[in-house]
Amino acid sequence: DAKTTQPNSMESNEEEPVHLPCNHSTISGTDYIHWYRQLPSQGPEYVIHGLTSNVNNRMASLAIAEDRKSSTLILHRATLRDAAVYYCILRHANFGNEKLTFGTGTRLTIIP
Amino acid sequence: NAGVTQTPKFQVLKTGQSMTLQCAQDMNHNSMYWYRQDPGMGLRLIYYSASEGTTDKGEVPNGYNVSRLNKREFSLRLESAAPSQTSVYFCASSVDSGTGYGYTFGSGTRLTVV
Repeated sequence: DAKTTQPNSMESNEEEPVHLPCNHSTISGTDYIHWYRQLPSQGPEYVIHGLTSNVNNRMASLAIAEDRKSSTLILHRATLRDAAVYYCILRHANFGNEKLTFGTGTRLTIIP
Repeated sequence: NAGVTQTPKFQVLKTGQSMTLQCAQDMNHNSMYWYRQDPGMGLRLIYYSASEGTTDKGEVPNGYNVSRLNKREFSLRLESAAPSQTSVYFCASSVDSGTGYGYTFGSGTRLTVV
């Protein structure tokens, strides 16, 4: 199964942009790249996903490398509420082969 | 719109006891999932149901059973609880499996087996 690699932790100053990297060198052509975040004592929350093109939504942007072997989640202006563990996950797009596998993620600390 | 609702939120069991964790979603999603999360670790898939009437094993199914009662409800049963099953359990749902749709998670059930 394709796996992802993320830094264990990152820090960022409040109100500055944050770039969270993810490597997925064994990604297959049908894998979607998903990002979730988990605030303390809560369930994971969907952030964004993409396949090949860069994606934007109200929460974040997702930049996908041209070879799809890496991606970056971009929080444009970090707030204290963005402090969480961020998971980069590959989701197989083959019906009946559901293997959304979470790694240990990146713990993001926001410095006031 | 409640999303994904899990009950109970907390539970303490004695070794060997049984219990069922309940999960319901009101988003008309086809696919539902059960995950467990141990301290300092990511989530691991226990079982999933790609659609009503179907269930499949995930990464760590031993010691668990599931029932997709209807499209809304997906329950997880521990027949004989063991201390190794102490964990936080999350239920999730998705419009469909095998696509690029995101998951919606419940707030979790914190289970302690003593």
